[in-house]
Amino acid sequence: GAGVSQSPRYKVAKRGQDVALRCDPISGHVSLFWYQQALGQGPEFLTYFQNEAQLDKSGLPSDRFFAERPEGSVSTLKIQRTQQEDSAVYLCASSLGIGGRTGGYTFGSGTRLTVV
Amino acid sequence: GENVEQHPSTLSVQEGDSAVIKCTYSDSASNYFPWYKQELGKRPQLIIDIRSNVGEKKDQRIAVTLNKTAKHFSLHITETQPEDSAVYFCAAPNYGGSQGNLIFGKGTKLSVKP
Repeated sequence: GAGVSQSPRYKVAKRGQDVALRCDPISGHVSLFWYQQALGQGPEFLTYFQNEAQLDKSGLPSDRFFAERPEGSVSTLKIQRTQQEDSAVYLCASSLGIGGRTGGYTFGSGTRLTVV
Repeated sequence: GENVEQHPSTLSVQEGDSAVIKCTYSDSASNYFPWYKQELGKRPQLIIDIRSNVGEKKDQRIAVTLNKTAKHFSLHITETQPEDSAVYFCAAPNYGGSQGNLIFGKGTKLSVKP
């Protein structure tokens, strides 16, 4: 597609509920990143995929967070047993090259998750 | 890993004035420094970037300067306009990670008063 598409745009979850957030990157982009952006803060790195391989998941805050990109295109970020501290905007970004040093990311519009 | 510090956190200027936002980084291996603009409720968008083989880059009213020795880089906006009001983020690659994912500063909220 023309840009990075994320869905849903907004999600309200009850505490303890599982959620799944979807990212459809720009076609042909090798790298895909997930970031978490709390209100008034900069994006915080969660995880990185190179094609279908998850090469870095060092930013995932707990084992309740899980991400996959099985066919090297669409990615899903899953959060199990959501907690109030999970409330944030989850941003997906993709880039044509490997990693973040070959050029700027293109971000999606994000999913705003509110846990009540 | 990389650490990026950004300041000021807020900046208010009169329309037509210049605005400068500064960032420092810790990893001397970092070689790529982008700047993103995020309007309220929207996605961060790349506005300019610089690689470590140059000291300055300009694009119309926006410029970025890099001082590799001091490990800092700055965004300069001249002749500011109300539509420049947004949050600006600097970033640098984290080579402590596996692939140099970008590490972002905490952002600078720029307000341009008409």
